[in-house]
Amino acid sequence: DAGITQSPRHKVTETGTPVTLRCHQTENHRYMYWYRQDPGHGLRLIHYSYGVKDTDKGEVSDGYSVSRSKTEDFLLTLESATSSQTSVYFCAITTRPGTGGGEQFFGPGTRLTVL
Amino acid sequence: GENVEQHPSTLSVQEGDSAVIKCTYSDSASNYFPWYKQELGKGPQLIIDIRSNVGEKKDQRIAVTLNKTAKHFSLHITETQPEDSAVYFCAATSGGGADGLTFGKGTHLIIQP
Repeated sequence: DAGITQSPRHKVTETGTPVTLRCHQTENHRYMYWYRQDPGHGLRLIHYSYGVKDTDKGEVSDGYSVSRSKTEDFLLTLESATSSQTSVYFCAITTRPGTGGGEQFFGPGTRLTVL
Repeated sequence: GENVEQHPSTLSVQEGDSAVIKCTYSDSASNYFPWYKQELGKGPQLIIDIRSNVGEKKDQRIAVTLNKTAKHFSLHITETQPEDSAVYFCAATSGGGADGLTFGKGTHLIIQP
């Protein structure tokens, strides 16, 4: 599991409330990613980070923000949750970014339900 | 940006037979193509990958082939076993994947006893 943990593993919340999901890694990897998985869509990239305080947007970043104040933690925040953000969220790391690398390893996921 | 199409969405095979899952990609700059297996309630697990300078790669019962000209790559599983039942995803990226992977929509592989 590449030393990745996600918390919480399950969460039910109401529309309009803020939600923060945490990804924690123990192996000091520089690159971290947040994906969401929905039926019929596969996994889609939300945001990624290439170092402390260095982040960038992915394909489906609207409605999400991220922060990375420490190498080991990458936080995903839904400022005001909507029902369309009901999904399973996966964190991932890359062990060797760049040419010749690219392998990504995923955490166990967080199932978020927005009522 | 990159677009990855994956077929079929569901594949049912008899135990012991072979299974083939196909993906096409749109960005000619893509150079890394991983395959993931996902079991119910778990995160995707990397099972095999291939880079653009290689045409085929094998690891025991699984193999991946890449046709750069046609922009398609395939996963081949031989001598299928019940534990091969899962959802399989292909993905593509350029530049070593530092800015993330683009995934296909997945194939649900069912191994019939």
